[in-house]
Amino acid sequence: AQSVAQPEDQVNVAEGNPLTVKCTYSVSGNPYLFWYVQYPNRGLQFLLKYITGDNLVKGSYGFEAEFNKSQTSFHLKKPSALVSDSALYFCAVRASGGYQKVTFGTGTKLQVIP
Amino acid sequence: EPEVTQTPSHQVTQMGQEVILRCVPISNHLYFYWYRQILGQKVEFLVSFYNNEISEKSEIFDDQFSVERPDGSNFTLKIRSTKLEDSAMYFCASTVGGQGPYEQYFGPGTRLTVT
Repeated sequence: AQSVAQPEDQVNVAEGNPLTVKCTYSVSGNPYLFWYVQYPNRGLQFLLKYITGDNLVKGSYGFEAEFNKSQTSFHLKKPSALVSDSALYFCAVRASGGYQKVTFGTGTKLQVIP
Repeated sequence: EPEVTQTPSHQVTQMGQEVILRCVPISNHLYFYWYRQILGQKVEFLVSFYNNEISEKSEIFDDQFSVERPDGSNFTLKIRSTKLEDSAMYFCASTVGGQGPYEQYFGPGTRLTVT
C-alpha cells in the first residue's frame, strides 16, 4: 500500500523568508511524486512533480521540491515566501508501473505572515 | 487554458435520496477520476475510469456508487442512496494518459451536504 505523511498541520513563515513544507512517502517501486495547492473553495492545482532524474524539480510560482530517495522525502520549498502563497498544500504519490490511484497526504496549511 | 468543470457547486439532499454529480473533463483527456474530501480531512481516491469502464476503485467506492460517461463530454458520479457520512467535497479529475507520470487536473469540486 502507498502512503504519504505530512507531519505539520500548519507552517507559519514571515513574508520574504524561505519556506519548507515537509512530505515523506511510502510506495512499492519507483514513485511519481506530486505537490498540489488548494485555495479556499477551489479545486487542487498542480504545482510540480518528480518522475526521475534530477532530485530538485522546479514548478509553478517559484516553488521547487527536493526528492531524497534514502529518506523517502519530497519536501516543498520556496526561497522567498509571499503572502499570496498562503494556502493548503498537498503532497501526493503514485506508484509507477500502471497504477493510477494517487494517494494524498493530509495537507499542510501554509500561513505567510506580512 | 482548458479546465475541468463540475456542477453543481453545492448540492443539498436528504438521506436516502439519489444524487448525481456532474463533471466535464478536459476535452483531450482520456482518464477520469473521482475523489472526495471530508471537511478537514485528506483527499481520498474513489475511482478511476478509462475506455468506458472502471479501471481502479477504492474500498470507499461500494455498491452505492456508480460512474458513467453518458456522452462524449460528461462524466458523472451517482450515489444511489445517500448517507450522512457521504457529506463531503467531491472532486473530479482528468489526465491525458494513465500509466505514465501524468498530473491530474482537478475541477473546483461539488460540496455535497446530506441532511
